Amino acid sequence: EVQLQQSGAELGKPGTSVKLSCKVSGYNIRSTYMHWVNQRPGKGLEWIGRIDPANGNTIYAEKFKSKATLTADTSSNTAYMQLSQLKSDDTAIYFCAMDYDLLFAYWGQGTLVTVSS
Amino acid sequence: EIVLTQSPTTMAASPGEKVTITCRASSSVSYMHWFQQKSGTSPKPWIYDTSKLASGVPDRFSGSGSGTSYSLTISSMEAEDAATYYCLQRSSYPLTFGSGTKLEIK
Repeated sequence: EVQLQQSGAELGKPGTSVKLSCKVSGYNIRSTYMHWVNQRPGKGLEWIGRIDPANGNTIYAEKFKSKATLTADTSSNTAYMQLSQLKSDDTAIYFCAMDYDLLFAYWGQGTLVTVSS
Repeated sequence: EIVLTQSPTTMAASPGEKVTITCRASSSVSYMHWFQQKSGTSPKPWIYDTSKLASGVPDRFSGSGSGTSYSLTISSMEAEDAATYYCLQRSSYPLTFGSGTKLEIK
């Protein structure tokens, strides 16, 4: 069974960074793409970007190019997203999602990032 | 960037009622994908490649469309269908979601 386990909630101060993790079990991430999506409180879904863990190639939505950095560690089957220069507007739930037989076939449970001084 | 416009934003349907949610793209896309999200949970793949139902999705759901106009239809609304539905295009980067349609049961 494929499962995506995300790291716990984060409380970050404005101007700092946080690094979220998404550990995959049941499937080798080298064989797929890992996506990250956010959802601000009471709002819709927003695609941040995706990484190909096999080679580290990344694609970002324009607005997240200087905000998010996606990496992956194939030895631990884990994807990461670092969010830098946190602002209150970055307060959101961040999901990782994995392509499998179809796009975004599996999702993590989400990590709540709260930005507050 | 391809912008997806969903309508309606919110709606309520009675049990047994037919429901249609539309998603219009600012440029032509090859396929449309749909996700269901219930409050406090992660989204679930619901319809992929415009008209294929994801595993476990009841056959009262269907998807159709082409080019810039797509729709998700429920032939007969049930209480368990109350959720927010999002369309997604993957024809070009960045991938983009529609703003969502919140469907409630009357």
